[in-house]
Amino acid sequence: EIVLTQSPGTLSLSPGERATLSCRASQSVSSSYLAWYQQKSGQAPRLLIYGASNRATGIPDRFSGGGSGTDFTLTISRLEPEDFAVYYCQQYRTFGGGTKVEIK
Amino acid sequence: QVQLQESGPGLVKPSETLSLTCTVSGGSINNYYWTWIRQPAGKGLEYIGRISASGPTNYNPSLKSRVTMSVDTSKNQFSLKLSSVTAADTAVYYCAREAGDYALVDWGQGSLVTVSS
Repeated sequence: EIVLTQSPGTLSLSPGERATLSCRASQSVSSSYLAWYQQKSGQAPRLLIYGASNRATGIPDRFSGGGSGTDFTLTISRLEPEDFAVYYCQQYRTFGGGTKVEIK
Repeated sequence: QVQLQESGPGLVKPSETLSLTCTVSGGSINNYYWTWIRQPAGKGLEYIGRISASGPTNYNPSLKSRVTMSVDTSKNQFSLKLSSVTAADTAVYYCAREAGDYALVDWGQGSLVTVSS
């Protein structure tokens, strides 16, 4: 099975700043199966990005995804207060370990 | 938007079988793939497996020997059974709808299952 490594483990930023989250696969994967989720405490995850770069319905355009092969990124252009959460990448049946975006 | 709701016992004894049901509303279970995910307290997400109404399943290899999923189209429900549970199976279990290519677009609120005697 593919292993997905997310970095950093924690990202400390201020509202209005740009966040760049990384998801690295242990081998080359199909972009079609790469998704990103946001999870807030006590809530179910929410789909943000599918197919590596496609925003899910209702997701603000400050969220963008990119990458191919083994390296993928989720970028939040300007952090809003509601964006502080844990983010997971997923490829096929595997999830990454998550990146926590916290308020600095 | 499809709504999903997990139901089942919150406490299961070690070595017994965990059983959960997910009820789908706002859409037909005959379309899409339906998935189970779990999350131990304070930890990340783990993919358990998926099933479609037509029957094909796809289970996480690490759990495959203990997992059974099924669909009841008459009730618009799908189910998870996990056998021979241990404390390591204690987690919040989520059911979810796959939009395509394994992306999970709709989620239930989650059901906490504790394995303890």
